[in-house]
Amino acid sequence: DAGVTQSPTHLIKTRGQQVTLRCSPKSGHDTVSWYQQALGQGPQFIFQYYEEEERQRGNFPDRFSGHQFPNYSSELNVNALLLGDSALYLCASSLVVWGQETQYFGPGTRLLVL
Amino acid sequence: QKEVEQNSGPLSVPEGAIASLNCTYSDRGSQSFFWYRQYSGKSPELIMSIYSNGDKEDGRFTAQLNKASQYVSLLIRDSQPSDSATYLCAVSPLVFGKGTRLSVIA
Repeated sequence: DAGVTQSPTHLIKTRGQQVTLRCSPKSGHDTVSWYQQALGQGPQFIFQYYEEEERQRGNFPDRFSGHQFPNYSSELNVNALLLGDSALYLCASSLVVWGQETQYFGPGTRLLVL
Repeated sequence: QKEVEQNSGPLSVPEGAIASLNCTYSDRGSQSFFWYRQYSGKSPELIMSIYSNGDKEDGRFTAQLNKASQYVSLLIRDSQPSDSATYLCAVSPLVFGKGTRLSVIA
């Protein structure tokens, strides 16, 4: 049973560029959430996708956008990159069972903005 | 705004001792609580979930929840050097604390 996968594992960009990160959820999961984790901090919630719609969104600017495909995989897009966008980007997939949702994380994509 | 508070540590315990990690949360309506372990440079790994007041045990790990006090804890019995990591408390999956760094000394 494949777990959550993310690509690429590492990425280096320069300020002002755009980046797309990809995530495939765990088999059987239909919900994907994205988090940003800066060094020494806990993961910060960006947004969650369910049934190809953005269901919830955290306190991130519109430069951060996403998409979910019919096969439940997801993309995170960040435009006009800033130095402060350098972080580990985590994707988590989940399935709500009896009203309870447990998230499982992928290995993450480490983004460095120069 | 929902907040989850954890002592950043580091918490140092000798091998074989009990490590006690604590977490408080601000949203009284929270229903789901999780502990994740994160090794340096890796992604968080789910250790325990707890939904009801009281204790939940899984091997060397025990999660404790007190909704009245808005308090969640994780006990690690017989701590091993391999338990050295950052432990993240999460509430209703979308809000994480900053994590507590645990160091188990051999």
